Amino acid sequence: NAGVMQNPRHLVRRRGQEARLRCSPMKGHSHVYWYRQLPEEGLKFMVYLQKENIIDESGMPKERFSAEFPKEGPSILRIQQVVRGDSAAYFCASSQGDSGNTIYFGEGSWLTVV
Amino acid sequence: SQELEQSPQSLIVQEGKNLTINCTSSKTLYGLYWYKQKYGEGLIFLMMLQKGGEEKSHEKITAKLDEKKQQSSLHITASQPSHAGIYLCGAEGRSGGGADGLTFGKGTHLIIQP
Repeated sequence: NAGVMQNPRHLVRRRGQEARLRCSPMKGHSHVYWYRQLPEEGLKFMVYLQKENIIDESGMPKERFSAEFPKEGPSILRIQQVVRGDSAAYFCASSQGDSGNTIYFGEGSWLTVV
Repeated sequence: SQELEQSPQSLIVQEGKNLTINCTSSKTLYGLYWYKQKYGEGLIFLMMLQKGGEEKSHEKITAKLDEKKQQSSLHITASQPSHAGIYLCGAEGRSGGGADGLTFGKGTHLIIQP
């Protein structure tokens, strides 16, 4: 049973370009979470999605960031017009959704903006 | 919002010694997760605790949640080099269910000296 799959693992973008990070949840999981880990900071919640629905995006920056989890295919975190401050590790997690169900994390996508 | 305080921030322990990491919450914990992260890698799920007084063990790692459900400890017995890494505690918000995502502490950096 494959775990949470993220790609790319490493991504380099120039300032102003777009970054797209993909996440395939574990088999049987319908809930996806995105987190960001900045250097010297902790892991911060960004957004929580179910299929075709954004449940909670209270941790998402107001501009340039968007997330989706379509009916078919992986969840995508999209960052437009990247800036150096977007350089971070972005982690995806998935669960079956109910309280008490384990939340599993992917290996992360490391974004570097040059 | 819920805040998690982890202590110590970093810990250097001689191989074979026991150690304890603490996680304290400003609010009642409805679901408390422990993860381990190796530098530059993803989060590995260790254990999840829900009930006051609950204790779980896996190999040489034991996690406890106090009766008041505001503090958890992670204890490693006879530490080994493979235990080195960053230990993160994460808590479900409100009544759980993942609706708030997990709030994480800043982590405890564990170094094992041979």
